[in-house]
Amino acid sequence: EPEVTQTPSHQVTQMGQEVILRCVPISNHLYFYWYRQILGQKVEFLVSFYNNEISEKSEIFDDQFSVERPDGSNFTLKIRSTKLEDSAMYFCASSGQGWVFTEAFFGQGTRLTVV
Amino acid sequence: AQKITQTQPGMFVQEKEAVTLDCTYDTSDPSYGLFWYKQPSSGEMIFLIYQGSYDQQNATEGRYSLNFQKARKSANLVISASQLGDSAMYFCAGGGTNAGKSTFGDGTTLTVKP
Repeated sequence: EPEVTQTPSHQVTQMGQEVILRCVPISNHLYFYWYRQILGQKVEFLVSFYNNEISEKSEIFDDQFSVERPDGSNFTLKIRSTKLEDSAMYFCASSGQGWVFTEAFFGQGTRLTVV
Repeated sequence: AQKITQTQPGMFVQEKEAVTLDCTYDTSDPSYGLFWYKQPSSGEMIFLIYQGSYDQQNATEGRYSLNFQKARKSANLVISASQLGDSAMYFCAGGGTNAGKSTFGDGTTLTVKP
């Protein structure tokens, strides 16, 4: 069964460092997303990406965040200068359809710990 | 914009019994979808079931069914014949015409007792 894969599963980084979280969405999907979940809290939307550009982003997704689809398979989230409050589980998701909303399949998550 | 409300922070159910997890939503989108995800203690997010706003019938996936009542704006998850492995956090989520921007509820922690 096709799945979304994320690497690494756990990343520890020093405050102020840049991190890149990687995702391989399901191959025939067209829409890609990042969500985050601070420990014990709800899942929060960060950004959606379609046709090589951001289609929507939340207020959390400020200038320190960026997304990229560098090739036909990877989808990355970069955090330029990490802060302690960026510590969270980051989920990548992908879905196949456009305006007709459909389910998004999530990767297993990357746990980011900023120290 | 969507708002998803899950009013049950925690639920208990006896093994082999059915349980209903509540979810209400509020949206101005004419087309939308509602989902349930399971998050076990290991942290991954597992898709369970989807209901589109124009679907005439309630969605079912194995032991999971979605009791969709459009007039009441509710999308409750029913798990039949609960198993110990069903113990997890369950999130209701919804989204509109933007295919990916799901809004999540606060979650319900389900504990299945042997």
